[in-house]
Amino acid sequence: DAGVIQSPRHEVTEMGQEVTLRCKPISGHDYLFWYRQTMMRGLELLIYFNNNVPIDDSGMPEDRFSAKMPNASFSNLKIQPSEPRDSAVYFCASQVASKVYNEQFFGPGTRLTVL
Amino acid sequence: GENVEQHPSTLSVQEGDSAVIKCTYSDSASNYFPWYKQELGKGPQLIIDIRSNVGEKKDQRIAVTLNKTAKHFSLHITETQPEDSAVYFCAATKGAQKLVFGQGTRLTINP
Repeated sequence: DAGVIQSPRHEVTEMGQEVTLRCKPISGHDYLFWYRQTMMRGLELLIYFNNNVPIDDSGMPEDRFSAKMPNASFSNLKIQPSEPRDSAVYFCASQVASKVYNEQFFGPGTRLTVL
Repeated sequence: GENVEQHPSTLSVQEGDSAVIKCTYSDSASNYFPWYKQELGKGPQLIIDIRSNVGEKKDQRIAVTLNKTAKHFSLHITETQPEDSAVYFCAATKGAQKLVFGQGTRLTINP
């Protein structure tokens, strides 16, 4: 298995532009998570899905952020309009539903820079 | 909600020595405590986890201990090797999905 795939790996954009980050979870996994990592705030959960349905979006910082999971193989996180304070590494992770095996598998991340 | 504190933020040890990282959590309902290792330029990777019905778990050179009464848990790495150099994160959650991470510990193993 290729693991969790994220694209792009790096994104540089200007303030006010729309940004779309993409994620392909591991096949067969039931949960998908979006995290943001910054030096100041560490690793924060933004939103997670179970069977393509958003379960908890309480970590989404503002209405400028939105996430969708149209099918089991794809999710995207959009920021519109982007701001310099959105600069961070964004990770997608997936997990299989299990009572005994709970590992979240993280992708390599997308490093976003908003100028 | 849950809050996880992790110490120290940086740790430097000689190769072959032991390293200990400590975390405290606030929500007594939390029952799952994983540890993740993040290497430079990569996403975090699970190295060991423990549930609240267990006090200690060991996997080769790494071990985790949990004190539910005091609400703290620790990661122990013995016989450290250069490849152990990384950032380590503890986390806590009720269930296994909504992880709350500590701030991370940058571990450096000096040859």
